[in-house]
Amino acid sequence: GDSVTQMEGPVTLSEEAFLTINCTYTATGYPSLFWYVQYPGEGLQLLLKATKADDKGSNKGFEATYRKETTSFHLEKGSVQVSDSAVYFCALKDTGNQFYFGTGTSLTVIP
Amino acid sequence: DVKVTQSSRYLVKRTGEKVFLECVQDMDHENMFWYRQDPGLGLRLIYFSYDVKMKEKGDIPEGYSVSREKKERFSLILESASTNQTSMYLCASSPGHHSNQPQHFGDGTRLSIL
Repeated sequence: GDSVTQMEGPVTLSEEAFLTINCTYTATGYPSLFWYVQYPGEGLQLLLKATKADDKGSNKGFEATYRKETTSFHLEKGSVQVSDSAVYFCALKDTGNQFYFGTGTSLTVIP
Repeated sequence: DVKVTQSSRYLVKRTGEKVFLECVQDMDHENMFWYRQDPGLGLRLIYFSYDVKMKEKGDIPEGYSVSREKKERFSLILESASTNQTSMYLCASSPGHHSNQPQHFGDGTRLSIL
């Protein structure tokens, strides 16, 4: 069945460091891919999305490219800030109604 | 913007009580979902609904039921609350079957069963 595997955390970075959180997926057909962010005590917010191969989603300095050949959707940011400290979830939607989530990666950015 | 509203941010109940968690969305979405989130376990799907009065079991439906009498409202019911149901509960909605659009989440309900 469909599934998402993402890099385990926690990840701790210094402010202005480069961030990569790896995400790979298994799916039949052509899923849509998403990154969500969850700040402490809140629900998940959509960060970015890509709906077909080679699409690049971007938002708030974060980027991820839908790579069908490597079944990956890695999240990157060139220079993280303290305010980026949160839990990040990679997710896919199959051609039906179902969504599949990774287990989440906790990021802490220290000044 | 889509808004998904969960009725309570924090809730404390006692073992054996019947507990209702309410969720309302304002974007006419066909699909609605209930998840629970526990440390180290990520999001686990309890139930989802793709239409009024329709429901499907997710990965962990035991001890829960749901109700969807109106399109905008999806209720999660703990029939007889137990301490192992202490968790963060997240409601989400999304457009229908052929859409490639994401889920939208509420702020969550942190439920404690004493």
